[in-house]
Amino acid sequence: GENVEQHPSTLSVQEGDSAVIKCTYSDSASNYFPWYKQELGKGPQLIIDIRSNVGEKKDQRIAVTLNKTAKHFSLHITETQPEDSAVYFCAAGYGQNFVFGPGTRLSVLP
Amino acid sequence: NAGVTQTPKFRILKIGQSMTLQCTQDMNHNYMYWYRQDPGMGLKLIYYSVGAGITDKGEVPNGYNVSRSTTEDFPLRLELAAPSQTSVYFCASTQQGPSYGYTFGSGTRLTVV
Repeated sequence: GENVEQHPSTLSVQEGDSAVIKCTYSDSASNYFPWYKQELGKGPQLIIDIRSNVGEKKDQRIAVTLNKTAKHFSLHITETQPEDSAVYFCAAGYGQNFVFGPGTRLSVLP
Repeated sequence: NAGVTQTPKFRILKIGQSMTLQCTQDMNHNYMYWYRQDPGMGLKLIYYSVGAGITDKGEVPNGYNVSRSTTEDFPLRLELAAPSQTSVYFCASTQQGPSYGYTFGSGTRLTVV
């Protein structure tokens, strides 16, 4: 089955700097790669996703890149703000078979 | 729209007790899911449903049961609670399947003592 690894587990950046979180997956059949943001005491919220036929996708300050050959995908946040502080989860899969990464706790320091 | 609503938000159970975690959605989504979240472990799928009357096991179904009598509701039943079931439980829904993104509820934090 699918296995998703996520690094780093914690990340601290200065406000205004960029943050990058990387995930690797094992199943070459996976074709959908979402990223979720979880704020304290809340459920995860979808912030961006990418499908296997696309290499990069941007939405304002966030972007996701996918390298199918290497089986890894990354979340990029530019010009970080305090409200970006949260736990970020990647996921990979197809059909009903989805696996989440263990999460990255991002802290944006003022 | 309320989205996905979970009750209760917090609960403490004694070993061997039973309880039902409630989940309801008002988006007319066909697909509903139950996940558990343990510290540093990500989200693990317990059960899911692709429509009323249809349920299937996920990765970690032991000790749990579900039913789906209506499109809106997807309750999760814990029988004979064990300390290993201490976790945060999230219900999620999606109209067309996981490949279109989930809408999650705010979670139920369960402690079994």
